[in-house]
Amino acid sequence: DAGVTQSPTHLIKTRGQHVTLRCSPISGHKSVSWYQQVLGQGPQFIFQYYEKEERGRGNFPDRFSARQFPNYSSELNVNALLLGDSALYLCASSPGTSYGYTFGSGTRLTVV
Amino acid sequence: GQQVMQIPQYQHVQEGEDFTTYCNSSTTLSNIQWYKQRPGGHPVFLIQLVKSGEVKKQKRLTFQFGEAKKNSSLHITATQTTDVGTYFCAVNFGNEKLTFGTGTRLTIIP
Repeated sequence: DAGVTQSPTHLIKTRGQHVTLRCSPISGHKSVSWYQQVLGQGPQFIFQYYEKEERGRGNFPDRFSARQFPNYSSELNVNALLLGDSALYLCASSPGTSYGYTFGSGTRLTVV
Repeated sequence: GQQVMQIPQYQHVQEGEDFTTYCNSSTTLSNIQWYKQRPGGHPVFLIQLVKSGEVKKQKRLTFQFGEAKKNSSLHITATQTTDVGTYFCAVNFGNEKLTFGTGTRLTIIP
């Protein structure tokens, strides 16, 4: 079985631009979460979706948004990019909220 | 906000020595998870602890959940070079948000 897949793997954007990151969860997993990991720090929670509904939102500005599709894949959108948005963006899926998460390899976003 | 503190931040050990990382919370936890992240990699789920005083083993790794469910530890016996990485605890404070600890970065001296 394929694990959690994220695309693209790397991305370079200019300040002020918009970016869309994509995630396909493990087949059968209905919960998808997004995390931001800055170098040297632990992952920071951005969003969680379960059955296409937003179940949790972290302390990120409104420039960050996400959605989950009927096939449980998900997109993370970031508008008006700032230099500080440069990070590894991780997607994780699980069968439900009481289970361990399987992480994708992440998207490395660099804002210049 | 709610957070979990993890100590130590860094640990350098000789290959073959033991290693322990600790995770502490000021509030009672419903469960705690442990993840390992290799350098340049992504977090990989190791285990989830749910019961007070629970102890679980995975080969050379021993995980404990405190009696008061406010702390947890991960102990590695006889470390190997494959154990290199950052070990994170992670907790769900009941708000659908998995909060990661600060992590302990383990380096092995061959």
